[in-house]
Amino acid sequence: QKEVEQNSGPLSVPEGAIASLNCTYSDRGSQSFFWYRQYSGKSPELIMFIYSNGDKEDGRFTAQLNKASQYVSLLIRDSQPSDSATYLCAVMTDTGRRALTFGSGTRLQVQP
Amino acid sequence: ETGVTQTPRHLVMGMTNKKSLKCEQHLGHNAMYWYKQSAKKPLELMFVYNFKEQTENNSVPSRFSPECPNSSHLFLHLHTLQPEDSALYLCASSQGVMNTGELFFGEGSRLTVL
Repeated sequence: QKEVEQNSGPLSVPEGAIASLNCTYSDRGSQSFFWYRQYSGKSPELIMFIYSNGDKEDGRFTAQLNKASQYVSLLIRDSQPSDSATYLCAVMTDTGRRALTFGSGTRLQVQP
Repeated sequence: ETGVTQTPRHLVMGMTNKKSLKCEQHLGHNAMYWYKQSAKKPLELMFVYNFKEQTENNSVPSRFSPECPNSSHLFLHLHTLQPEDSALYLCASSQGVMNTGELFFGEGSRLTVL
């Protein structure tokens, strides 16, 4: 069983639409959740993190966390072609081994 | 430009070769990491160093040998690799070992093993 699971995509949305990226995780002890963006041929970069249930907004990005359902999502409002990238969900468990466990990523394509 | 630089960016080697990957961070961080990224697979943590001491070896085969002479430099020595070791090897650094979950990655070294 995958520890952090994401749909590989590609998820294709038109410019200006809302892109919804989803992630589930298996370890109920997970406490911290992160979204990294990776452009093709580039390295991952952190764009959002969330620790508490609910929503966290930062500009056009909203991270949503539901620990009961072991589900975290990233919404991108007013999607732009420049948002086209692979989005990696990462989870950290604060017990014992402190390390990020990554999903395999969802490729997002924003069509102009 | 990132604060973490990796060389070489591309490397092709035979199974009997010995080569090394180099990583340097200019961010003043204390922790450095090696990750392996293969197509369609999650990033795999290989090694973690904190203040140049290895704190984690994630069951990595001995044909991969890390070296961290100081907090700014990290090497990955490669020998007798297998074709399945072909991947993108990413170096990362952070302020402390996973204090915030923010990793700063280098651009990666694309390794092809023939």
